[in-house]
Amino acid sequence: KQEVTQIPAALSVPEGENLVLNCSFTDSAIYNLQWFRQDPGKGLTSLLLIQSSQREQTSGRLNASLDKSSGRSTLYIAASQPGDSATYLCAVPSGGGADGLTFGKGTHLIIQP
Amino acid sequence: DTEVTQTPKHLVMGMTNKKSLKCEQHMGHRAMYWYKQKAKKPPELMFVYSYEKLSINESVPSRFSPECPNSSLLNLHLHALQPEDSALYLCASSPRSGSDSPLHFGNGTRLTVT
Repeated sequence: KQEVTQIPAALSVPEGENLVLNCSFTDSAIYNLQWFRQDPGKGLTSLLLIQSSQREQTSGRLNASLDKSSGRSTLYIAASQPGDSATYLCAVPSGGGADGLTFGKGTHLIIQP
Repeated sequence: DTEVTQTPKHLVMGMTNKKSLKCEQHMGHRAMYWYKQKAKKPPELMFVYSYEKLSINESVPSRFSPECPNSSLLNLHLHALQPEDSALYLCASSPRSGSDSPLHFGNGTRLTVT
């Protein structure tokens, strides 16, 4: 059964810092990995999707990397802003013939003005 | 703005009520999903529809009844719920079912059972 772990669970940093969120998964036989953002009480916004054949994806100040063999992904946020404050979730296909995604518990990020 | 639309945004219902949650997408996606998310927890899969047919039911209690009238619409019918069913219910869609297809989520319905 696929399991996803995110570290740290919470992070608070001053505005302007660069930061890294970590995600690990137990079954490396994945087709892709998605990073989502969730604001309090809201749905999930897809930030980046990395296919298994790719090593990284970039969107603006966000860069996600994938090391499938080691079961790890990182989300790098450059020049953080207060508007980046949210919970960031990593998700991979559940696998084993099952549909849908398995999520990590998320990293709750606070950017201090 | 999300391309997956969920209504209502908020719902308060008693344990004897019957209500429905609705989800709509016009991206031509053929797979649609219901997830349940409790506070400070990750989303958990409830149902998957592929080409309007229920393909996965993750052992969800029968008081939750999904319906997929067509490829653009997904409903979740609620009856005799319990207070512990209070949660954020998220709908998602993808071009097709299967592990290689990215999911697009709606903003969810915040359900409170009294």
